Amino acid sequence: EVVMTQSPGTLSVSPGERLTLSCRASQTVSNDLAWYQQKPGQAPRLLIYAASTRATGIPARFSGSGSETEFTLTISSLQPEDFAVYYCHQYSYWPRTFGQGTKVEFK
Amino acid sequence: QEQLVESGGGVVQPGGSLRLSCAASGFALNSYGMHWVRQAPGKGLECVAFVWRDGIKKEYLDSVKGRFTISKDNSKNIVYLQMDSLRAEDTGIYYCARDVSWYIEVWGRGTLVTVSS
Repeated sequence: EVVMTQSPGTLSVSPGERLTLSCRASQTVSNDLAWYQQKPGQAPRLLIYAASTRATGIPARFSGSGSETEFTLTISSLQPEDFAVYYCHQYSYWPRTFGQGTKVEFK
Repeated sequence: QEQLVESGGGVVQPGGSLRLSCAASGFALNSYGMHWVRQAPGKGLECVAFVWRDGIKKEYLDSVKGRFTISKDNSKNIVYLQMDSLRAEDTGIYYCARDVSWYIEVWGRGTLVTVSS
């Protein structure tokens, strides 16, 4: 099983800040990597797929990069609606696996 | 509008069974593979089962193999998850999700399964 490790576990930030979330895969997953945002009581929402492609309707302040085993999600200027948990997800191997999540909370 | 709506969750005793349903609207299931993804209370996401577009080939998380069965009825546009021999660790919200080019694109709102005596 491919283990996905996200860091940090929690980020305390203020609106307007730039933040970078990291995700590491225990073996190479090429660019078969997606990022999801989940708010309390809601289903996850697709942000990024193929490591760097924004999903339909996702604002340009969200960007993804990386390949093989190291990936990042960057939010250029945090908006109030961006406070949530973010998950990375590899879809290169079965079973599909997710990272444990990074919680972005209000400082 | 493309939508997935899950149903069938509830409280069941350990060793019991439940069948979850996921009704798709706004698109045809015969064009997509479909996932069931679960989330234990306060925890992360876990892919439990996947059925390929043809409805024949299936993938399962090791911990549910032999206990869970995923299927889809393309004529009714519904995906099912039959869950037998349920354990406390199967407790969580179960999401139905649509696969596009191997990543999960569309999610339902989920249905809660609680396994408890």
